[in-house]
Amino acid sequence: DAGVIQSPRHEVTEMGQEVTLRCKPISGHNSLFWYRQTMMRGLELLIYFNNNVPIDDSGMPEDRFSAKMPNASFSTLKIQPSEPRDSAVYFCASSSRNIQYFGAGTRLSVL
Amino acid sequence: AQSVTQLDSHVSVSEGTPVLLRCNYSSSYSPSLFWYVQHPNKGLQLLLKYTSAATLVKGINGFEAEFKKSETSFHLTKPSAHMSDAAEYFCVVSDPADYKLSFGAGTTVTVRA
Repeated sequence: DAGVIQSPRHEVTEMGQEVTLRCKPISGHNSLFWYRQTMMRGLELLIYFNNNVPIDDSGMPEDRFSAKMPNASFSTLKIQPSEPRDSAVYFCASSSRNIQYFGAGTRLSVL
Repeated sequence: AQSVTQLDSHVSVSEGTPVLLRCNYSSSYSPSLFWYVQHPNKGLQLLLKYTSAATLVKGINGFEAEFKKSETSFHLTKPSAHMSDAAEYFCVVSDPADYKLSFGAGTTVTVRA
């Protein structure tokens, strides 16, 4: 298996623009997580899906952030409008039997 | 509630010498414990996991960790460091019945030639 696949690897955008991050989980995994990593706050869980249903979105910072999982093999995290403080590395992870496997991340820079 | 404390924010070792990364945890349950490694500009890679089987857990790349319930510790060791071990290491705890992971603050390992 190719592991968790995220795209793009790097994204540079201007403040106010919409940003969409994409994730393909490992086939057969029924749980998917979005995390944000910054120097100041470390790794933060943004949202958790189980069987494509959002279970816990309490970590989503504000209404500018939204996430979807239309099917078992694809998820998106959207920021609209983006702000400079959203600059971070965003990770997607999928899990089986409570072991989470992480993608390589998307490094987002909002100018 | 569960939490993790990584006792060293930075560890520097010479190539070929042992590595010890210390981790203490707090959990109300019989926890699952993990070590992940993150190389620069990469994602988190699972090194090893403890899930209530053998207390000495062997992982990839020669790493191992020992679960000590009496000391609430899960220290990571490697007998001989390699230059490629330079990375950040995260100790992670979870309740086996829960999905949430609690991450330590991370330990940055530097390997000197």
